[in-house]
Amino acid sequence: DTGVSQDPRHKITKRGQNVTFRCDPISEHNRLYWYRQTLGQGPEFLTYFQNEAQLEKSRLLSDRFSAERPKGSFSTLEIQRTEQGDSAMYLCASSPGGVATEAFFGQGTRLTVV
Amino acid sequence: GENVGLHLPTLSVQEGDNSIINCAYSNSASDYFIWYKQESGKGPQFIIDIRSNMDKRQGQRVTVLLNKTVKHLSLQIAATQPGDSAVYFCAEKVAGGYNKLIFGAGTRLAVHP
Repeated sequence: DTGVSQDPRHKITKRGQNVTFRCDPISEHNRLYWYRQTLGQGPEFLTYFQNEAQLEKSRLLSDRFSAERPKGSFSTLEIQRTEQGDSAMYLCASSPGGVATEAFFGQGTRLTVV
Repeated sequence: GENVGLHLPTLSVQEGDNSIINCAYSNSASDYFIWYKQESGKGPQFIIDIRSNMDKRQGQRVTVLLNKTVKHLSLQIAATQPGDSAVYFCAEKVAGGYNKLIFGAGTRLAVHP
């Protein structure tokens, strides 16, 4: 499978715990995005990487959230001191460089904070 | 799996009919638009895209129409099949941005045999 891969697919955690998700984009895609999706809503942009540089962050990304893409390949999204409101699907997408190219999404990580 | 279509407007069609899903986008500066299909428990799947210098684009069984005057986008699916049942999202990219997408609220398509 050469698509975007996310791990884990599901995560249940207790409130206050830290969680980390991983995204492996399509190889050679230098653009990587994280989105969050709650039930009944469209995905909402969280952050964008071009290679290893994090170029844009949404105001949705509070101080408890941090994302990295250390070698310009895979990316991690960490949520510290999770809250029940963090429960959502976290989606990763990648796209090649160039103008207006489509983003390919992974299957997402479903986070449930109890 | 999760119910992606919870609380979304639903379009119900008979198998074999044509479907039209509509979307109003928000930003007149948007220069690129995409339609995605999302099945329960899965990530959005690319269907078709269109740039703002076009008003129509056709794919296999799908057509996207863009009306920039009223900021309206539509997705037409010909000969709708049960496998087309899913939630459909339109997404827009604002010119000059980093290709981040702004998604609409979504429409659930239910195809009945």
